[in-house]
Amino acid sequence: EDQVTQSPEALRLQEGESSSLNCSYTVSGLRGLFWYRQDPGKGPEFLFTLYSAGEEKEKERLKATLTKKESFLHITAPKPEDSATYLCAVQAGSGGYNKLIFGAGTRLAVHP
Amino acid sequence: NAGVTQTPKFQVLKTGQSMTLQCAQDMNHNSMYWYRQDPGMGLRLIYYSASEGTTDKGEVPNGYNVSRLNKREFSLRLESAAPSQTSVYFCASSSRGLGDYEQYFGPGTRLTVT
Repeated sequence: EDQVTQSPEALRLQEGESSSLNCSYTVSGLRGLFWYRQDPGKGPEFLFTLYSAGEEKEKERLKATLTKKESFLHITAPKPEDSATYLCAVQAGSGGYNKLIFGAGTRLAVHP
Repeated sequence: NAGVTQTPKFQVLKTGQSMTLQCAQDMNHNSMYWYRQDPGMGLRLIYYSASEGTTDKGEVPNGYNVSRLNKREFSLRLESAAPSQTSVYFCASSSRGLGDYEQYFGPGTRLTVT
């Protein structure tokens, strides 16, 4: 069964304390992996797309990496404004349509 | 550009009532989607429209219907609301097919069914 699991469920960091969020997946025929940021009461905001193992993407303090079984979102020297829920989604090429499967997210809180 | 807009932002229904959630995008995207988001679960696809004039079921279509009114607008209808449909509903759009390109989301509609 296609599945996306994000860990940890919640993470509390001090400002400047770097860390990583994990997205592990088991899907047949990965076609792409997406990272989104979601602020409370708002819709997800697109961050990155990764297509193949070894690929990396960066945006400000965020860096996403991809292996054959998981993706990491590295946060370097986070600031309080990085507090949000980070969602991972994978596109699988099986079934009657190309499913986009979302993980449940990691809630990140960065404290001053 | 407004991006993806949704109305209403909040709605309370009684069991058995019907309503339509509206969604519009101004990015000239071909594909549009409806998701629901429940606590502790990932976003789940209800219906999608790969292009104007077509609609297809997603993961959790039961109890819902959709209409792709034109390229800009995609509505979601609950014919007879049930408490299990209490959720936050998001509309999204992308330039091309499901998952092939990043999706852009609206602000959501928070629906409570009592």
